[in-house]
Amino acid sequence: QKEVEQNSGPLSVPEGAIASLNCTYSDRGSQSFFWYRQYSGKSPELIMSIYSNGDKEDGRFTAQLNKASQYVSLLIRDSQPSDSATYLCAVNEVTSYDKVIFGPGTSLSVIP
Amino acid sequence: DTAVSQTPKYLVTQMGNDKSIKCEQNLGHDTMYWYKQDSKKFLKIMFSYNNKELIINETVPNRFSPKSPDKAHLNLHINSLELGDSAVYFCASSQDWGGSPLHFGNGTRLTVT
Repeated sequence: QKEVEQNSGPLSVPEGAIASLNCTYSDRGSQSFFWYRQYSGKSPELIMSIYSNGDKEDGRFTAQLNKASQYVSLLIRDSQPSDSATYLCAVNEVTSYDKVIFGPGTSLSVIP
Repeated sequence: DTAVSQTPKYLVTQMGNDKSIKCEQNLGHDTMYWYKQDSKKFLKIMFSYNNKELIINETVPNRFSPKSPDKAHLNLHINSLELGDSAVYFCASSQDWGGSPLHFGNGTRLTVT
């Protein structure tokens, strides 16, 4: 199985700062990339999806994709304590039925 | 209004028992999944159905058997439960096959004692 890797963290940032989360993937054919947020004891919820190289912005969130380097990142501007959660990177694995596989997640803590 | 609902939310049972988890989605999606999240929070796909047809069957013990009576429902039956089956099981759905965003249910926390 192809892999999706993330820094496990925990990543701590002060309130109001920019949090930067990174993800690399091994399947060169992947076309769909997702960031999910998971609060403790809750289910993952979709924050962003990105399919083309470059940046995609949605409110305080920006996803960045570089297929040549096989990495995708998520920037959270003006981080809030409510952003404290685990962030899961997910990628479709083209070589295996296009299933969506997840990275191990990065735990983010925003300090007031 | 719940988009993807699964029951029960908690399941505590003894080794050797058989149990089922039910999942329903009202989003009109074609594809449904079961994912397992272990104690280290790693989320791993188990099964996927597209329009009631099994598409993905990962390396999962055959004690686990999914069933999809229609494209809005996907159930998971587990026979002869083992301690290592303890985890959170998430049902999810997506619009179609091929890397569409997943919508997750609230999860079923299974504890085998």
